[in-house]
Amino acid sequence: DVKVTQSSRYLVKRTGEKVFLECVQDMDHENMFWYRQDPGLGLRLIYFSYDVKMKEKGDIPEGYSVSREKKERFSLILESASTNQTSMYLCASSPLGRTQYFGPGTRLLVL
Amino acid sequence: EDQVTQSPEALRLQEGESSSLNCSYTVSGLRGLFWYRQDPGKGPEFLFTLYSAGEEKEKERLKATLTKKESFLHITAPKPEDSATYLCAVEKNTGNQFYFGTGTSLTVIP
Repeated sequence: DVKVTQSSRYLVKRTGEKVFLECVQDMDHENMFWYRQDPGLGLRLIYFSYDVKMKEKGDIPEGYSVSREKKERFSLILESASTNQTSMYLCASSPLGRTQYFGPGTRLLVL
Repeated sequence: EDQVTQSPEALRLQEGESSSLNCSYTVSGLRGLFWYRQDPGKGPEFLFTLYSAGEEKEKERLKATLTKKESFLHITAPKPEDSATYLCAVEKNTGNQFYFGTGTSLTVIP
């Protein structure tokens, strides 16, 4: 079974705080992705990575950065959290050119 | 513009009342089309992948079909536990990006 885990299910942060969301997959997948999901907007891609230390911007990278130092781990960083970053954050992984498997999600509230 | 559209946005069915969900796409160069189920507050759970027009996949009460411009998720004799949001995504044959629809929220009433 594919397993994608995310460090927190729920987070509450203050405006201006630096926020780290971590994702770990145990299937040796090359690709990893970070999305945010908002009502009426669906899933929007923030960043993805196709290899260690490689990253590419998705549709909405502003205000976010990522880090992939090891193949199994992909971190999303909010440098200075803002209220409009309140959302559900979903991590996914996939082998090359194949199905994405999702983690359980992190619901982030920025006050 | 690459786009995935799902309809209807919401669907209420009586238990046992069969229906279909639609996913239409304008993505050029399809590598694959994916269906997911998402329960409230959880991550999407993979259901099916379809790669070429005419392909069909089945799992319990669900059957997914694919044509050149759309896919259908048919639900036969649904049960209340089938209540969830169903998401469709397509992957282009260039790059690694997926394009997601906004989902159909299905409620099955006992």
